[in-house]
Amino acid sequence: SQQGEEDPQALSIQEGENATMNCSYKTSINNLQWYRQNSGRGLVHLILIRSNEREKHSGRLRVTLDTSKKSSSLLITASRAADTASYFCATTSPYGNKLVFGAGTILRVKS
Amino acid sequence: DGGITQSPKYLFRKEGQNVTLSCEQNLNHDAMYWYRQDPGQGLRLIYYSQIVNDFQKGDIAEGYSVSREKKESFPLTVTSAQKNPTAFYLCASSITGNQPQHFGDGTRLSIL
Repeated sequence: SQQGEEDPQALSIQEGENATMNCSYKTSINNLQWYRQNSGRGLVHLILIRSNEREKHSGRLRVTLDTSKKSSSLLITASRAADTASYFCATTSPYGNKLVFGAGTILRVKS
Repeated sequence: DGGITQSPKYLFRKEGQNVTLSCEQNLNHDAMYWYRQDPGQGLRLIYYSQIVNDFQKGDIAEGYSVSREKKESFPLTVTSAQKNPTAFYLCASSITGNQPQHFGDGTRLSIL
């Protein structure tokens, strides 16, 4: 069963613009993670935010978490053509030991 | 260089044939996972293993089998019982179950 759902399904922006992707989930979580997947490749871990954290930064990435709304957002600032990829959120439950992935957002950054 | 190696990159299966996908990691991770990815979709968990000689079914285990005889290795067998095996298969590992996962570059399986 897939817990996370990303929104939008696809996003196309110009280089230099910011990109925002949203993730909603259904049950309590231990943490929420964001991953990037380039076409035909494996996933790469970007950032992890714990259930007791509200915001986290890593370079041009900013992740927020609102546990009351069961949602998270990933903001990529000053996007580059190299940011073109699919982005997935994944959650872990307080009791489980595995990730549950959403269907992903396809981001295209045009140069 | 530490990482996860999946082989082969492309694999073709004939009717009624079992095929085995290899996954090896040198990250000294305890946990390993197998996922299936269909076009335009997210990852679905097939099997996972928290420790050597132990593994659990994921959401779509039917038609697949695994073994975990060594910490470094977690091979996946796609059996003839899996009627729709065409997909991109990804292997991952992590220190423990809730921690970030490191992924291999996948095996693309097709039917001949």
